[in-house]
This record gives sequence, C-alpha cells and structure tokens, in this order.
Amino acid sequence: QSALTQPRSVSGSLGQSVTISCTGTSRDVGNYKYVSWHQQHPGRAPKLMVYDVNKRPSGVSDRFSGSKSGNTASLTISGLQAEDEADYYCCSYAGPDRFVVFGGGTKLTVL
Amino acid sequence: EVQLLESGGGLVQPGGSLRLSCAASGFTFSTFAMYWVRQAPGKGLEWVSTISANGGTTYYADFMRGRCTISRDNSNNNLFLRMDSLRAEDTAIYYCAKGLILGVFDHWGQGALVTVSP
Repeated sequence: QSALTQPRSVSGSLGQSVTISCTGTSRDVGNYKYVSWHQQHPGRAPKLMVYDVNKRPSGVSDRFSGSKSGNTASLTISGLQAEDEADYYCCSYAGPDRFVVFGGGTKLTVL
Repeated sequence: EVQLLESGGGLVQPGGSLRLSCAASGFTFSTFAMYWVRQAPGKGLEWVSTISANGGTTYYADFMRGRCTISRDNSNNNLFLRMDSLRAEDTAIYYCAKGLILGVFDHWGQGALVTVSP
C-alpha cells in the first residue's frame, strides 16, 4: 500500500479539465512544500511535470498546474489532449526518516 | 542535455548480489543529490535510496536498509547501487534520477531491469 493515496483512474474528454488528488498526512504532504507530480507513458521513464506544489519545469505545458490544501495535493490538467493519456504519480518529501514517498499512481484516460 | 544511463541490470538468483551503475552527463554531477527509484512490473514507483551531492549523506528505504549501498564517483560522474541478499520482490526496473531540490528529481534515466529468480 502506497504512502500517498491517489484515485486509481480518472477520465476526461478532449479539451476538458481533470483534477487528480493526492492525499498524505501531516508527516509528508501536509508538512512540506516539496510535492511533485510525474507523468509516465507506457514503457517509458517518468517525467517531472510539477514540483514545489505548483512550479513547472522548463518545457512543460502551462496546461498542467498544481495546488495543495492541508494534507491533499492536486494536479489539474486543462485542455486535455490525447498525449496526456498516461499514468500520473504524486511524490512528497517526508523528512529524513522516510525521505520520499509516492502515491500509487492514477491512470488518466482521455475520451 | 541531461542524460542518465543505467547499466548492470540482469537476472540474479535469490540471495545474490548486483551492482547498478548510472553514467551521468549534461550537468555538473557533483553539485546535485542523486536518487534510485524502482518500479516492479505493473506496479507504481517506489523510492529506494538517495545520496547527497558530495556523497557524505545517504538515505535508504526501510525495505532496502542493510541490503544495499548507494555511492557515487564525482570524478567520473557515476552513481552506483550495490544490492545484496536479493529477493524475488526486488524484481523491478531501477531508475536513477537527478535531484533538483529536497525530495524532488527532475530527470530520469531509462532504467535497468533487475530480475530475481532461480
């Protein structure tokens, strides 16, 4: 069982928006700004999409945005495109003992 | 361009050992923490280990503590993961990743498959 809880799947139509939640505890998501989201297409390495809750690396579309409230972080993808169909993993720093924890991943289907 | 290239994966018997390597290029290797993250077949991502930029501090997931050692060679831009007493449940793709800030990694290698089986 993963330390962070994500929905197993979400779906949305082309052009619509979807939000993926990531629930942790006060020992990880709730206590640190170091929450990130990674996208993974089948058979490929993951790719960082959002970090520090709501920052985007260079080259990542501004259709991807992040937020956090309490122990729950969220990734919102607006203007859904076919290439957004992938697995998405949230990740949080969790202090020096556990260091990094992941969510179980969410499969996004674009209808 | 940041590049991370893992090697050293393969088939190993239960109880055996393996050393993974990750050759880094395209950035100043000695100034960034580095990570190992694994993914079992059909499963999610799981953090394995982290090493500080100068190699002086290391962190391990509970399931690997005592069974693996992370190290780095900043002179040659290489990251290593030595794993001992391997179990079937250690079967996974092992990715090396470049640290960005605390607990965040911004570039991933393509991964090295480790299969633990008789």
